[in-house]
Amino acid sequence: DAGVIQSPRHEVTEMGQEVTLRCKPISGHNSLFWYRQTMMRGLELLIYFNNNVPIDDSGMPEDRFSAKMPNASFSTLKIQPSEPRDSAVYFCASSRRTSGGSHSYNEQFFGPGTRLTVL
Amino acid sequence: QKEVEQDPGPLSVPEGAIVSLNCTYSNSAFQYFMWYRQYSRKGPELLMYTYSSGNKEDGRFTAQVDKSSKYISLFIRDSQPSDSATYLCTGGKSFKTIFGAGTRLFVKA
Repeated sequence: DAGVIQSPRHEVTEMGQEVTLRCKPISGHNSLFWYRQTMMRGLELLIYFNNNVPIDDSGMPEDRFSAKMPNASFSTLKIQPSEPRDSAVYFCASSRRTSGGSHSYNEQFFGPGTRLTVL
Repeated sequence: QKEVEQDPGPLSVPEGAIVSLNCTYSNSAFQYFMWYRQYSRKGPELLMYTYSSGNKEDGRFTAQVDKSSKYISLFIRDSQPSDSATYLCTGGKSFKTIFGAGTRLFVKA
């Protein structure tokens, strides 16, 4: 399997422009997560989907951020309009519940990330 | 207060040293705990998981959870330069995993 695929790997844009980040999860995984990572705030969960349905979007910082998952193999995170404080590395991760005997846990497989710079 | 607190470091040790990485958490509902390792300019990768108090060993790595004090630890024995990375502790319930800020570790040859 190719793992989680994200595009673009790098994005440089100007303030006010629309930015769209893309993610292809691992085939067979039914959960998808979008994270943002910065030095100041660490790795923050923005939103997660289960079976293509948004379950928790409480981490989405503002209405400028939106995410969609039209099918099991594709998701987008859009920022419109973008601002310099949105500069960060955005990770997509996918998972399926993994059984550890009588317990199950949620191992997430991360993509390589998109490094976004908003000037 | 963040649900998972972790000292960001950096932590610098000589090759062969025993490394101790620590986190505290506040959510008693967490069902499982994991450690992820993140190399520079890469996504995090699962290193170890555990769901109960006590120790879990995997090669040079030992994960320890103390639910009574809400304390999570990762020990690395015989540390190697290739262990240089950021280590993120997590607590989770169902599909939701909360990550600590990560501790940057440097192992000097």
